[in-house]
Amino acid sequence: EDKVVQSPLSLVVHEGDTVTLNCSYEVTNFRSLLWYKQEKKAPTFLFMLTSSGIEKKSGRLSSILDKKELFSILNITATQTGDSAVYLCAVTSGSARQLTFGSGTQLTVLP
Amino acid sequence: GAVVSQHPSRVICKSGTSVKIECRSLDFQATTMFWYRQFPKQSLMLMATSNEGSKATYEQGVEKDKFLINHASLTLSTLTVTSAHPEDSSFYICSAREPPYITSTGTLRSSYEQYFGPGTRLTVT
Repeated sequence: EDKVVQSPLSLVVHEGDTVTLNCSYEVTNFRSLLWYKQEKKAPTFLFMLTSSGIEKKSGRLSSILDKKELFSILNITATQTGDSAVYLCAVTSGSARQLTFGSGTQLTVLP
Repeated sequence: GAVVSQHPSRVICKSGTSVKIECRSLDFQATTMFWYRQFPKQSLMLMATSNEGSKATYEQGVEKDKFLINHASLTLSTLTVTSAHPEDSSFYICSAREPPYITSTGTLRSSYEQYFGPGTRLTVT
């Protein structure tokens, strides 16, 4: 059974701090790893990673995948209160390319 | 980007009644749609994979007779929660995936990305 584990489960920081969120996975026939941000409604897409060692960047957010060690990190620099959300990591595997989600990391950024 | 809509966004129903939730891909054709359920403070759990024109594939532990899925067209999938009970109260989210495409070099590629609908909050009293 495919498994995705995120850590920490929750994190409270102050504005301006840098945070690193972790995602490890055990899946058969790995295809890709995706990061989502979920506020009050459905998740919004952040990154999709398929290759090891290639950093993807979008503003203050960046992410990288290590397919050998089976994990990914999501970095957020200079955090803002608007970054407060649940960050979900998901993995696609197999031919059906279904998403298996981790439990998420609840990030709270205090002013 | 691709847009997926869900209707209704919120529904309250009485125990024993049935509720239908619609998921539409607005600007693309989705050969595959996925239905997820999310309980408070928990992650999304895949319920079923819906392929246009064929029967849905349900995940283990999901009752197919209770959660009826119909994917009658390339832009619409519906989830009907039959004989709803309070424990069915949850946030239901659909996602849609674009069909395979051919790259500029002629390679057939499948799309990895799923586009999520805004979700439907179901409360069963």
